[in-house]
This record gives sequence, C-alpha cells and structure tokens, in this order.
Amino acid sequence: GAGVSQSPSNKVTEKGKDVELRCDPISGHTALYWYRQSLGQGLEFLIYFQGNSAPDKSGLPSDRFSAERTGGSVSTLTIQRTQQEDSAVYLCASSYSGFQETQYFGPGTRLLVL
Amino acid sequence: AQSVSQHNHHVILSEAASLELGCNYSYGGTVNLFWYVQYPGQHLQLLLKYFSGDPLVKGIKGFEAEFIKSKFSFNLRKPSVQWSDTAEYFCAVNPDYNDMRFGAGTRLTVKP
Repeated sequence: GAGVSQSPSNKVTEKGKDVELRCDPISGHTALYWYRQSLGQGLEFLIYFQGNSAPDKSGLPSDRFSAERTGGSVSTLTIQRTQQEDSAVYLCASSYSGFQETQYFGPGTRLLVL
Repeated sequence: AQSVSQHNHHVILSEAASLELGCNYSYGGTVNLFWYVQYPGQHLQLLLKYFSGDPLVKGIKGFEAEFIKSKFSFNLRKPSVQWSDTAEYFCAVNPDYNDMRFGAGTRLTVKP
C-alpha cells in the first residue's frame, strides 16, 4: 500500500506481558516517528529515527520501552512487562527526510493492558 | 514545563460560521509550527505548516494560520466552516532537531 501501516490494529494483553508493535513506513521515507496518545490527551512524542538511528531515546517513557528500525524501513516498538498505564493508542508516522517534512500517520495500534 | 496549549477543548459551530482555534507554545528560539487534523475514522493529516517567511500561511480546504512571534501563538482560522470540517484539530511544535510536541487537541463539531 501507499500509506503507513501498523500492526496489530488492536492488542489486548495482561499486565506483565511483553508486546511488540510494528510500523511499516512509506517507501523511501527516511524519517520515522513513534507517538503515544492516551485517552483525552494529545500526542506524546516517543522517538524519532533517521534511517536506522535514533539520535535521542530520552522521549521513551521508561526503560521498559525500546524501539528499533532495520533496513531503513520497518520499525518495532517493544514494551516489556506492560503496565495498565501503558494502555493507549500508539501511532507511527513517517516523512521524507525529517521534522520539517509532512508527517504521514498510520492508523495506530490500540493497546489495552488488563 | 515547556508546552503547547490549545485553549478550546470542544467548539460547536453552525455551518458558515467563522472559526478560530487558539494555539500557544512556550518554546523559545526558532520553532517549526504545524496544524494537523483527524477526521472521524481517518488518520491524522497535515493541514498546514510554518517554518519561516510570511507569517500568514494557507493550507488545504480553506484553512489558514497566523504566526505571531511576540505572542508565541499560531492560531488556525477559516472564514466559513462546513459540516465536513467536523474533526479534531491538533497544533504541533517542532522545537528542536529531535522533538515534536502536540497540543491536547480541539474537537470541532459543525452543525448542518
């Protein structure tokens, strides 16, 4: 497809389990972004990749969160030992080269931690 | 803490009314500014953006925004709204090379 895709679209997990969220950016986009949107809140910036590198991981909420990107394409966001406060919609976006470019958003993964 | 503030949580207008959604930010220095929109059931998409130059920027679907540096504001406007403008609107600021801050969003409901 031509847009950003994310999988799964919905994920229900039990507290303490690990989850992996996937993002497929638009082909040719070197920049990739992860955001979290909690109920009634705006988007919270988590991490930015330029190619396979993330210059700064300080936006990740805790050390239970990690992200990687391989081949300059697909990215995964992993949450270890999930907590109920991790419940949110996780959005991925990509852009041609960086923050000044238009970000194209995916549909998001809705995560519910029971 | 540095932030992006959207003053209105929910705005309800009748068709043909004028719209202005407020956005203020608290970052100093040079920033890049954006308005994104999320229509019901759709993904977030860019309405318009400002980097430099003319502080009045025009976007898609008749929207425009004015950057007022002295007020740290980037308000979104449309002279005459339509029912199809019903959506959630997010102001966003790119304050440095590795950050993007969004406001909490304003839900716009346009009554036909």
